[in-house]
Amino acid sequence: NAGVTQTPKFQVLKTGQSMTLQCAQDMNHNSMYWYRQDPGMGLRLIYYSASEGTTDKGEVPNGYNVSRLNKREFSLRLESAAPSQTSVYFCASSPSFDQPQHFGDGTRLSIL
Amino acid sequence: GESVGLHLPTLSVQEGDNSIINCAYSNSASDYFIWYKQESGKGPQFIIDIRSNMDKRQGQRVTVLLNKTVKHLSLQIAATQPGDSAVYFCLFGNEKLTFGTGTRLTIIP
Repeated sequence: NAGVTQTPKFQVLKTGQSMTLQCAQDMNHNSMYWYRQDPGMGLRLIYYSASEGTTDKGEVPNGYNVSRLNKREFSLRLESAAPSQTSVYFCASSPSFDQPQHFGDGTRLSIL
Repeated sequence: GESVGLHLPTLSVQEGDNSIINCAYSNSASDYFIWYKQESGKGPQFIIDIRSNMDKRQGQRVTVLLNKTVKHLSLQIAATQPGDSAVYFCLFGNEKLTFGTGTRLTIIP
């Protein structure tokens, strides 16, 4: 099994451009999550989806939108990228909130 | 790969010794706790978890201890090996989970 797959792995954007980060999981998990990780910090939750058809804000949702397209896929969109959004973005999934999350390898996003 | 946790607290341990990594959590309503290991350039990997109705749980070479009175979680790694070098994060909460700051574990050969 591939687990959690994130695309793209690397991306460079100009300020103001839009971008969608894709995430798919093949473990039939109900819950999916988007985090960002900046140097010197832990992971911060942007948005999560407890189950198909629901999404909720996390700790740092401003500047982002998400779509739970189906049970497998959870995308993160930057409508107008800003340099402050330069970060490594991780997607994760879990059977439910109180079970371990499985992470993808991340998308490294730079905004100039 | 990119640098993970440039300014994180660092713990240096002699190879073969035991390591103890600590996490203080803020949410007293937390009822689920997880330890993750993150190597450079990779996503976090699950190590072990514990629920609030337990004080201790053991895995292969790892033990997690939970002290709810002082809101403290620790990860003990026995006989530390070079492959244990990584950044370690705790994750805690109930419906919404929060990552702790993290600790960089460095193994001295």
